[in-house]
Amino acid sequence: AQTVTQSQPEMSVQEAETVTLSCTYDTSESDYYLFWYKQPPSRQMILVIRQEAYKQQNATENRFSVNFQKAAKSFSLKISDSQLGDAAMYFCAYRPNYGGSQGNLIFGKGTKLSVKP
Amino acid sequence: GAVVSQHPSWVICKSGTSVKIECRSLDFQATTMFWYRQFPKQSLMLMATSNEGSKATYEQGVEKDKFLINHASLTLSTLTVTSAHPEDSSFYICSATAGGRVRYNEQFFGPGTRLTVL
Repeated sequence: AQTVTQSQPEMSVQEAETVTLSCTYDTSESDYYLFWYKQPPSRQMILVIRQEAYKQQNATENRFSVNFQKAAKSFSLKISDSQLGDAAMYFCAYRPNYGGSQGNLIFGKGTKLSVKP
Repeated sequence: GAVVSQHPSWVICKSGTSVKIECRSLDFQATTMFWYRQFPKQSLMLMATSNEGSKATYEQGVEKDKFLINHASLTLSTLTVTSAHPEDSSFYICSATAGGRVRYNEQFFGPGTRLTVL
């Protein structure tokens, strides 16, 4: 079975500092996607960043970057220059790619990030 | 970006009644829609996957007779919670994917519906 594990229920960071959220996953598939979603208090799910498993280069989106270690099945999210608006629940998610079909997203339990002013 | 709406955003009902939640893709055709359930301070759990014009596929442990899903058009899916009980109180989120895109089919999420059963 495919699983996603987030071992940090809560994290805290000082404004303008950098924080890394951890995520590991388990799968026997070789072709898949990994995602980080943000869920602020409004509870609207927002896609932060995605990574395709066949790409070795780590994805980056402005202040957000990932450290994708395929062999270790690790997918951490680094947030640089943290801002108050980054405070939210962050979910790591996995989705297998079955020839382009809409595979289901499998979510981790989430990490609650607090940003201190 | 693609927009998905949900209606209502929150609903309170009495135990034993049925509640219908609508999920609409506003600016794209959604060939597949997903329904999730999220309890307080927990993750999203997939309930079912629906493809337009066909029966929904339910995840293990989800009662299909209690959670009726209809995906009658490419822009609308509905989730009906029948004979709701307090334990059905939760946050329900839908998402949708647009057909026709190669390889990567992003799921666009609705804002969610908070259901409280008294």
